[in-house]
Amino acid sequence: DSGVTQTPKHLITATGQRVTLRCSPRSGDLSVYWYQQSLDQGLQFLIQYYNGEERAKGNILERFSAQQFPDLHSELNLSSLELGDSALYFCASSVVGGSYTGELFFGEGSRLTVL
Amino acid sequence: AQTVTQSQPEMSVQEAETVTLSCTYDTSESDYYLFWYKQPPSRQMILVIRQEAYKQQNATENRFSVNFQKAAKSFSLKISDSQLGDAAMYFCAYRSSTGGGADGLTFGKGTHLIIQP
Repeated sequence: DSGVTQTPKHLITATGQRVTLRCSPRSGDLSVYWYQQSLDQGLQFLIQYYNGEERAKGNILERFSAQQFPDLHSELNLSSLELGDSALYFCASSVVGGSYTGELFFGEGSRLTVL
Repeated sequence: AQTVTQSQPEMSVQEAETVTLSCTYDTSESDYYLFWYKQPPSRQMILVIRQEAYKQQNATENRFSVNFQKAAKSFSLKISDSQLGDAAMYFCAYRSSTGGGADGLTFGKGTHLIIQP
């Protein structure tokens, strides 16, 4: 158990719909990262938040948005869903500062299927 | 930008044998971290081993060890005494050590490891 919690684990929805994926980082971790893993694309970095503020952006579509709340949990919002958005979405968290050891701790992922 | 390349999409090894997975990376930084993550069929991302670039000694975790060649920008993973439970997708990953964690991991595309009984 990595200590990172993601919900829901599985989600099936239709094209054009909107979904929200939720992530609770490990206790004490200020940084949250979102990754998308499609069958043929590997792990793609989407976005990073640090202590409530957006810190880095990767290949995130304009239809996608995220935020990190004061309690440090994060939500990834996916709207106007397309078939190609079907993927496994990972949240990861990381220590920043004194105890930094480099690795990210991953949740179990949220599998999104768009029909 | 850093890039990570895993040139072996798939590898197969007999149970109890040794297998080496290759990884190369490109960076202009001198201080960084390298990782191998394992993704079994459950899809969970599990850290296998970590290497700090400033350490010359190769990291070892039980049956898993790395061959870190900084000048060649190479970071291979050796799995000794392969077990059926080692069957998984293995990802090599890079992370800058600057910024105290203010960036994420850059992943290779992965190597699918098959263990033959």
